[in-house]
Amino acid sequence: DVKVTQSSRYLVKRTGEKVFLECVQDMDHENMFWYRQDPGLGLRLIYFSYDVKMKEKGDIPEGYSVSREKKERFSLILESASTNQTSMYLCASSPSQGAGGANVLTFGAGSRLTVL
Amino acid sequence: AQSVAQPEDQVNVAEGNPLTVKCTYSVSGNPYLFWYVQYPNRGLQFLLKYITGDNLVKGSYGFEAEFNKSQTSFHLKKPSALVSDSALYFCAVRDSNGGFKTIFGAGTRLFVKA
Repeated sequence: DVKVTQSSRYLVKRTGEKVFLECVQDMDHENMFWYRQDPGLGLRLIYFSYDVKMKEKGDIPEGYSVSREKKERFSLILESASTNQTSMYLCASSPSQGAGGANVLTFGAGSRLTVL
Repeated sequence: AQSVAQPEDQVNVAEGNPLTVKCTYSVSGNPYLFWYVQYPNRGLQFLLKYITGDNLVKGSYGFEAEFNKSQTSFHLKKPSALVSDSALYFCAVRDSNGGFKTIFGAGTRLFVKA
């Protein structure tokens, strides 16, 4: 069974702490994505990566950074967590554009982050 | 810029009745359109997609969606709702002109009452 695994389901951090959210996929997908999900706002794209060491800003990259050192792993980093970053974070992956157009995203179970 | 609108925060339907969850979109090129579902405490799961061709697309769990280019809509439908269909539904769009970004709507919560 193909999977996108997010390392932590629930995290509680304090304001100013550095936070790492890890995501690993076992499908050999080229593309990986980080979204945050908030009630009434749906999913908003934070960052995505279409290749190892490549990254692109999404719609709400402020306060976040990412790292993709290996194809299967895509990390989201909050350098200094703030209360407005309390949210559900969803990682997703998909095959490359060349694999046939409208590629479906496969999502992880999510990481619920609370910043106090 | 791409955008997706789901005009209803919540849809209520009785079990056995048909259901519709509405979605409209905006892209500069031709759209790739998707529906995903999120059950409680679960990640998002793919339901169906439209790429090209037949305007009526069939997907998982008996769901279907109708692409209407003139109205820029992609409404999700099911002829007979089940209580187990109760979940959060997201419409999403990607521009076919080589874009990587998939943009999601705000979501519509479906309640199916027994």
